[in-house]
Amino acid sequence: QITLKESGPTLVKPTQTLTLTCTFSGFSLSTSGVGVGWIRQPPGKALEWLALIYWNDDKRYSPSLKSRLTITKDTSKNQVVLTMTNMDPVDTATYYCAHITMVRGGKSKGFDYWGQGTLVTVSS
Amino acid sequence: DIQMTQSPSSVSASVGDRVTITCRASQGISSWLAWYQQKPGKAPKLLIYAASSLQSGVPSRFSGSGSGTDFTLTISSLQPEDFATYYCQQANSFPHTFGQGTKLEIK
Repeated sequence: QITLKESGPTLVKPTQTLTLTCTFSGFSLSTSGVGVGWIRQPPGKALEWLALIYWNDDKRYSPSLKSRLTITKDTSKNQVVLTMTNMDPVDTATYYCAHITMVRGGKSKGFDYWGQGTLVTVSS
Repeated sequence: DIQMTQSPSSVSASVGDRVTITCRASQGISSWLAWYQQKPGKAPKLLIYAASSLQSGVPSRFSGSGSGTDFTLTISSLQPEDFATYYCQQANSFPHTFGQGTKLEIK
């Protein structure tokens, strides 16, 4: 079965860079159409789409955060890494990674498998 | 970005009630819309994809409809485990934006 799990620091200081790793099993990121995305949710607030990487290394970012985000994959390790620079207290949130399958032209059915999420707090 | 607007933001209902949640896109997204259910402290769960297709394992009391800019999620007969927050998400063009959520509470 498909599983995903996020890992990384629980506390970062303002201006630092956050690095989160999504380790998955049950699928391969070398399979055509497959992707992994990152979504975050500040406490008590809505979901926010951050970034997505596909099997062919196509990468997509939220325009509002694009300058701060980098998404990469390591197919051999079954991992996807998200880095976010210049962290601020407003970036405090639970960060999720999730599996997605592209149907065509960037369109998809949505995130069908999710990790449990990891809470990242930004504070000095 | 395509903006997704859900209504209402919250709704109170009783077990057995029929509930409808609406999602409106700021521009046409064909049928590329997904619905999720999220319970406190848990990851979202995909309920509906492509506006009206039921994800495997999801009870048939959940249904979705719509195309273009206007979509609905209907729960035909509320069960105790359905009280949660529901999100829509457009999957037509990047970024795949989410709605602000609708909290379904027990009356």
